[in-house]
Amino acid sequence: QTVVTQEPALSVSPGGTVTLTCGLSSGSVSTNHNPSWCQKSPGQAPRTLIHSTNTRSSGVPDRFSGSILGNKAALTITGAQADDESDYYCVLYMGSGISVFGGGTKLTVL
Amino acid sequence: QVQLQESGPGLVKPSQTLSLTCTVSGGSIRSESHFWSWIRQPAGKGLEWIGRIYTSGNTNYNPSLKSRVTITIDRSKNQFSLEVSSVTAADTAVYYCATWAYGSGSYYVDNWGQGTLVTVSS
Repeated sequence: QTVVTQEPALSVSPGGTVTLTCGLSSGSVSTNHNPSWCQKSPGQAPRTLIHSTNTRSSGVPDRFSGSILGNKAALTITGAQADDESDYYCVLYMGSGISVFGGGTKLTVL
Repeated sequence: QVQLQESGPGLVKPSQTLSLTCTVSGGSIRSESHFWSWIRQPAGKGLEWIGRIYTSGNTNYNPSLKSRVTITIDRSKNQFSLEVSSVTAADTAVYYCATWAYGSGSYYVDNWGQGTLVTVSS
């Protein structure tokens, strides 16, 4: 089964820029995978930030953006804030009705 | 805005069947532009897609769980349900129900339930 890969952990300084990526153990991520990104904080339900590669969900600040970088999907946070410290998950549609989450990236803002 | 609420036992014994229900409010489970799904997160681990159901009753499941999982829909109650059979401690997790918007080339989770913790223990 194809594995969706993410950096286990990243850090960014307040006000800085960080890019999280979402790849495949075999092959390239494309817009056909409908990449989405969600934010998961402890004790809270997940929140979808970006869908359809680069569309921000309602109410999501514009410092969050999505794209395809090379053979991966990417989530970029520009001007990181303290409350962006969280876990971030990408999810890809693999076809045949199957979706797969990445392992998640723990983002530290320090 | 669609709201989702999970309900069901918080404690299940090993080898028994875990059963959860998701009640949908603010929207219809007959929607042809949504799929209805279950996602879980074991403590300290990542999110795992369990499966989905369409209003027609068509289902798709995570291949790693397919032999033990059943998702059903009850249009009269605006609910959908999850059963996981032969549970072990590895099935202990927070279980979320979620809706996936579908159409115009998009497919993504547009609503999440608050989640419910299910512990498998004797």
